[in-house]
Amino acid sequence: DAGVTQSPTHLIKTRGQHVTLRCSPISGHKSVSWYQQVLGQGPQFIFQYYEKEERGRGNFPDRFSARQFPNYSSELNVNALLLGDSALYLCASSPHPDTGNLLYEQYFGPGTRLTVT
Amino acid sequence: GQSLEQPSEVTAVEGAIVQINCTYQTSGFYGLSWYQQHDGGAPTFLSYNALDGLEETGRFSSFLSRSDSYGYLLLQELQMKDSASYFCASYSSASKIIFGSGTRLSIRP
Repeated sequence: DAGVTQSPTHLIKTRGQHVTLRCSPISGHKSVSWYQQVLGQGPQFIFQYYEKEERGRGNFPDRFSARQFPNYSSELNVNALLLGDSALYLCASSPHPDTGNLLYEQYFGPGTRLTVT
Repeated sequence: GQSLEQPSEVTAVEGAIVQINCTYQTSGFYGLSWYQQHDGGAPTFLSYNALDGLEETGRFSSFLSRSDSYGYLLLQELQMKDSASYFCASYSSASKIIFGSGTRLSIRP
């Protein structure tokens, strides 16, 4: 079975631009979460979606938004990019609806490396 | 605030035992998880403690003391492939899933 897939692998954008990152969860998983990981730091939780509904949101500005589609794939959108948005963006898949359950069952994809210049 | 504190680096010898500590301050505590991440790779789940005590999974064990707001990951019979970053993670009502800043484990032959 395929694991979590993310696209693109790498991306270079300019300050002020917009970016869309994509994620496909493990087959049968209805929950997708997004994380930002700056080099040398732990992942920071951005959003969790379960069956197209937002179930959890971290402390990120409104420039960050996401949605989940009927096939449970998801997009993360970031507007008005800043240099500080340069990071590895990780998507994680889980069968669980509640954010707390992610602590013991979530599977991360390989990530999208975003560089903002 | 909500935080997880862990040492930034630990060095150990192949075949030895190493302990990585994590102290936490979170509200609405659910439990403590541990993840491993190799350079350039994705985090992978290792262990989870919801209750006090020791959880053992092969060479890896994890311990939690809720009264002390403290946990640790114990790695035994260290192998070179265990060289990686290790993160503790928890849940807070404010920030949802939170990760520590990670402990980089280096293993010497």
